[in-house]
Amino acid sequence: EVQLVESGGALVKPGGSLRLSCAASGFAFTDAYMSWVRQPPGKGLEWVARIKRETHGGTTDYGAAVKGRFTISRDDSTNALYLQLDSLKPEDTAVYYCTTLVALRFPESWGQGTLVTVSS
Amino acid sequence: QSVLTQTPSASGTPGQTVILSCSGGRSNIGWNTVNWYQQLPGTAPKLLIHTTDQRPSGVPDRFSGSKSGTSGSLVISGLQSEDEAIYYCAAWDDSLNGVIFGGGTKLTVL
Repeated sequence: EVQLVESGGALVKPGGSLRLSCAASGFAFTDAYMSWVRQPPGKGLEWVARIKRETHGGTTDYGAAVKGRFTISRDDSTNALYLQLDSLKPEDTAVYYCTTLVALRFPESWGQGTLVTVSS
Repeated sequence: QSVLTQTPSASGTPGQTVILSCSGGRSNIGWNTVNWYQQLPGTAPKLLIHTTDQRPSGVPDRFSGSKSGTSGSLVISGLQSEDEAIYYCAAWDDSLNGVIFGGGTKLTVL
């Protein structure tokens, strides 16, 4: 069974940084494309970033709202996915979900999410 | 404002068939597949339909998807009370080089 467990969410001041982690198990993490999706409180879903498997270059893609400020990365030796959040803004406040991907692009299995709050 | 447009709310009675729509453009639904997610209150979204009409294992066949031109549809037949949720469509956008979501349709079972 696929398990994704996010951690690292916290209250942070505007301009601050945070690193989110996702512990993955129950599937071949090394072969998987992975992503982060966020959801502001009471609002809809927003795609944040995707990382390909290392054998496909491990390249990354980002949503326009976070490009240049967030960095997705992975550690295949520990089955972990990360999201580094820099230059945080109040509009980055959201629950951040770690997901596996189907058809290399679309979120398939989701974690329970971790809440990031950006406020002074 | 979402690139994919969904009606904010819909409703139906148990046993009915409801159709939820998702309108996009050439660079997303027009050239790519449509995907659907169900989000029950207080839970993470769940993949309902991928690649326009494919159901992951465990998803009841009451749920089906289709696409025509730049619009996608999710059909829920034999509506049940547990189907009350928010439904999101999603597609890859070639111009944005990323996944875009619709704003969601809140389905109420009367």
